[in-house]
Amino acid sequence: GIQVEQSPPDLILQEGANSTLRCNFSDSVNNLQWFHQNPWGQLINLFYIPSGTKQNGRLSATTVATERYSLLYISSSQTTDSGVYFCAVENTGNQFYFGTGTSLTVIP
Amino acid sequence: DTEVTQTPKHLVMGMTNKKSLKCEQHMGHRAMYWYKQKAKKPPELMFVYSYEKLSINESVPSRFSPECPNSSLLNLHLHALQPEDSALYLCASSPPLLRGSVDNSPLHFGNGTRLTVT
Repeated sequence: GIQVEQSPPDLILQEGANSTLRCNFSDSVNNLQWFHQNPWGQLINLFYIPSGTKQNGRLSATTVATERYSLLYISSSQTTDSGVYFCAVENTGNQFYFGTGTSLTVIP
Repeated sequence: DTEVTQTPKHLVMGMTNKKSLKCEQHMGHRAMYWYKQKAKKPPELMFVYSYEKLSINESVPSRFSPECPNSSLLNLHLHALQPEDSALYLCASSPPLLRGSVDNSPLHFGNGTRLTVT
């Protein structure tokens, strides 16, 4: 199956700092989503972005499908941004596979 | 993102018990999923139902038995589980493909059932 690697695995930021999270995948994909999992386990949709660039407030994402990677940018980080960020990809028939995750801690 | 409802939120069961996890969505989605997530790991795909038919089973042990009674409901029946099956069980749904489109549509997750097997 498709391999999905995320980097960095862990990230600690001072409140107000910016960061870039990366998702690499081993094959072409039809779908790519970014999620934020909060400390209670809830998975929040951030972006559906199989290609191109999208922005939503302090967050933006870019997927370069031909080069098999996606980036999630977090600007002016806040403590509520803490949690685990996952990308999930799908290349055939509703099989969505999650990346290894980036655990983000934002300290005040 | 709580348009997918899972019950119960927490479940503790013994290894000889039989229990069921339930998932419901009313968004008209035609694909529904079960994922299992262990602590500090990504969610792992277990089952996919597409148009109420089981389309993917990721070699899940038979002590987990999925059921899709209709397009809005998805159950996961549990029997003779082991302590290592303790995990967060997540249900998700996704809309049908648009006719003539190569675009698929995103996953929507419920809040999960935190299962402990004693």
